[in-house]
Amino acid sequence: GAGVSQSPSNKVTEKGKDVELRCDPISGHTALYWYRQRLGQGLEFLIYFQGNSAPDKSGLPSDRFSAERTGESVSTLTIQRTQQEDSAVYLCASSPRGEGGVLFFGEGSRLTVL
Amino acid sequence: KQEVTQIPAALSVPEGENLVLNCSFTDSAIYNLQWFRQDPGKGLTSLLLIQSSQREQTSGRLNASLDKSSGRSTLYIAASQPGDSATYLCAVRPRIQGAQKLVFGQGTRLTINP
Repeated sequence: GAGVSQSPSNKVTEKGKDVELRCDPISGHTALYWYRQRLGQGLEFLIYFQGNSAPDKSGLPSDRFSAERTGESVSTLTIQRTQQEDSAVYLCASSPRGEGGVLFFGEGSRLTVL
Repeated sequence: KQEVTQIPAALSVPEGENLVLNCSFTDSAIYNLQWFRQDPGKGLTSLLLIQSSQREQTSGRLNASLDKSSGRSTLYIAASQPGDSATYLCAVRPRIQGAQKLVFGQGTRLTINP
């Protein structure tokens, strides 16, 4: 596709369940980011991937959060034992290079934890 | 720690007016600054990217300026239209070794009244 694709667009889950969110970056983009946006708040950095380098996980809020990326393709963000405070829109972005590049965002995955 | 502030939080103007959105950041050591727009329920769309060595960038009716020494950027929108209604976010990329994340402001919610 032409843009960053995220799925699911909406996910409602019960507290304590695990969820997986998927991001398909723009083909050829080496950098991939995950951000979280809680209702009425700004974007919160979660994790960054650049090629085959070790990811920057400094924004992950707890060990319940993890993310993987295979090479320069799809990434999955996994949240284990979801809590109500995990409810947010999870945004993925890709960039043609790590530093100085424009970020292209997907439309996000809206997660609601009941 | 880099912090980004956008004032005002919300702005409502009549169609046709020229307007300025403000963004300030606390640490002038940045690689670049980006302006994004976010429509309700959607992801972010990059509008303009200004590298730290640049003073301004223009795209159509949009002009963004950067004064790195004072930690300020402005987004000027000329001849505003109802379709410009959205939330506008600015983000800086800190010049810190290994830091790849953008730091976002909270955004300015702009409404253009027909």
